[in-house]
Amino acid sequence: EAQVTQNPRYLITVTGKKLTVTCSQNMNHEYMSWYRQDPGLGLRQIYYSMNVEVTDKGDVPEGYKVSRKEKRNFPLILESPSPNQTSLYFCASNVQGPNSPLHFGNGTRLTVT
Amino acid sequence: SQKIEQNSEALNIQEGKTATLTCNYTNYSPAYLQWYRQDPGRGPVFLLLIRENEKEKRKERLKVTFDTTLKQSLFHITASQPADSATYLCALDFGNAGNMLTFGGGTRLMVKP
Repeated sequence: EAQVTQNPRYLITVTGKKLTVTCSQNMNHEYMSWYRQDPGLGLRQIYYSMNVEVTDKGDVPEGYKVSRKEKRNFPLILESPSPNQTSLYFCASNVQGPNSPLHFGNGTRLTVT
Repeated sequence: SQKIEQNSEALNIQEGKTATLTCNYTNYSPAYLQWYRQDPGRGPVFLLLIRENEKEKRKERLKVTFDTTLKQSLFHITASQPADSATYLCALDFGNAGNMLTFGGGTRLMVKP
């Protein structure tokens, strides 16, 4: 089954404790991206990647890192999480740019205390 | 700056009626416009994509229109069913470099039996 898999689904952590949210897709898509979704602010793009070893900032990249060492994986790294990063995070992949549909994972709900 | 407006108030309609959701945008005209459905706690699911040179697109009970003069897209669900209850998001390509889709805040649709 074609899918984007994120882990974990739920994560509670404390300020400053480094964490990684994993994302994997099995559709051989070139593009992958990370979004955060907050009430009243909608979905905002954090980072995206057009191919292996190619990443770029989205609208809200501060406090986040990503890497794309393999085509299928695109982990999101929070080196020093802060409470304002409490949010619902989605990983997505698509074949190419904005003219192709995004396939989203089921989300990771992160709480930073 | 580019802005996307979707009605933040929930749309309540009776089963069997046609639901019409609106997506308005300002400034730059997108080359592509996409509509997604999102259920609570789940990732958005792609529904339809329409290009700037297409006036209308249909898929089963769904219809999307794209009026670049009015800077507006309308999303219609005919013969609505309670199972259509969800939040519907529009997303636009504003021509930024890379994989930059900008999402609206979404409109919640409630279809009552």
